[in-house]
Amino acid sequence: GENVEQHPSTLSVQEGDSAVIKCTYSDSASNYFPWYKQELGKRPQLIIDIRSNVGEKKDQRIAVTLNKTAKHFSLHITETQPEDSAVYFCAANPGGYQKVTFGTGTKLQVIP
Amino acid sequence: EAGVVQSPRYKIIEKKQPVAFWCNPISGHNTLYWYRQNLGQGPELLIRYENEEAVDDSQLPKDRFSAERLKGVDSTLKIQPAELGDSAVYLCASSQGSAEAFFGQGTRLTVV
Repeated sequence: GENVEQHPSTLSVQEGDSAVIKCTYSDSASNYFPWYKQELGKRPQLIIDIRSNVGEKKDQRIAVTLNKTAKHFSLHITETQPEDSAVYFCAANPGGYQKVTFGTGTKLQVIP
Repeated sequence: EAGVVQSPRYKIIEKKQPVAFWCNPISGHNTLYWYRQNLGQGPELLIRYENEEAVDDSQLPKDRFSAERLKGVDSTLKIQPAELGDSAVYLCASSQGSAEAFFGQGTRLTVV
């Protein structure tokens, strides 16, 4: 089955700096890569996703890159703000009604 | 549009007692997932339904856990008997096929 590794497990940045979270996956059949943000005590919420036919996707301060050859994808948050503080999960989905496998999460702390 | 609804939000039970969780997915979503999330970790899939059929239950501890999704809509997850190690947040999610999954608020279970 799919195995998703996520690094780092914790990340502290100063407000205004950029944050980068990296994930690797094992199943070359995976073709859908969502990123979820989970605030303390709340549900995971999708913030951005990317499909395997695209190398990069951007939405305001958030961007995701995908390297299919190396089987890794990354989340980039620019101009971080205190409200970006949360746990971020990457995930990989082989599609075809296969299950989504989550990474172990990155706790991001943005220091004002 | 209503999101994924779960109940109860919190449950405290003594070990060896039974417990049940309920999930109402987003209307029209044929795929339903039950995840367990331990503190500081990513969600782990317990079972996935396509309509009323359980298509992936390989991670479900079948000696004590059971689930059903009658009529391909609402779903219940049951634990009987509960053990201390079952304390976690149980998340339900739904999606239209293999598209993005939307999560419910979760049920925080504490077994004492």
